[in-house]
Amino acid sequence: DQQVKQNSPSLSVQEGRISILNCDYTNSMFDYFLWYKKYPAEGPTFLISISSIKDKNEDGRFTVFLNKSAKHLSLHIVPSQPGDSAVYFCAASPRLYGQNFVFGPGTRLSVLP
Amino acid sequence: EAQVTQNPRYLITVTGKKLTVTCSQNMNHEYMSWYRQDPGLGLRQIYYSMNVEVTDKGDVPEGYKVSRKEKRNFPLILESPSPNQTSLYFCASSSLGQGATWNEKLFFGSGTQLSVL
Repeated sequence: DQQVKQNSPSLSVQEGRISILNCDYTNSMFDYFLWYKKYPAEGPTFLISISSIKDKNEDGRFTVFLNKSAKHLSLHIVPSQPGDSAVYFCAASPRLYGQNFVFGPGTRLSVLP
Repeated sequence: EAQVTQNPRYLITVTGKKLTVTCSQNMNHEYMSWYRQDPGLGLRQIYYSMNVEVTDKGDVPEGYKVSRKEKRNFPLILESPSPNQTSLYFCASSSLGQGATWNEKLFFGSGTQLSVL
């Protein structure tokens, strides 16, 4: 049973509009969440993270929102650019309980010019 | 340049023939880990290591071995590969800092595409 779910395998958005990628988790021990971005033929690269003590974290065009009661987080990209086209992985960690990351299956984002 | 280097990038082998995928990092990271990526399943952790001579199983360790004799290297060993181990493999490393930055950023290698016939 997947502990981290990304229910949209793919998403297409027009350039300049907002992209919203969603992630749900089931393990209440998770207290640290990250988003990674992956281009073809490359390894994933870190994008943004959020701790469970916060409900929002921003870094430029990227904002992550965390709703602990719903066990849900989302990544907002505003405005979306063609270079944002990639696979986005959500990851969660029970940081206080040891060293492990659990990744979701990924969402492929296509930003159309 | 800070990086995680995996070799080879592509590998085709046959069932039962032992193989090793190497991983090396030049960032003096304590933590290293192996993942496999399969369609619809995301990245699943195989093994991880918190430091030299300290390794532990991840979520899918069956059929794999690892060793951590030196801080920079973390090879993945398939003693008797089987077709269900055909996958895209990633090695990753991270520092074990303190507080809010603890293990915030995993640095990944470029991947090894393994096909077991």
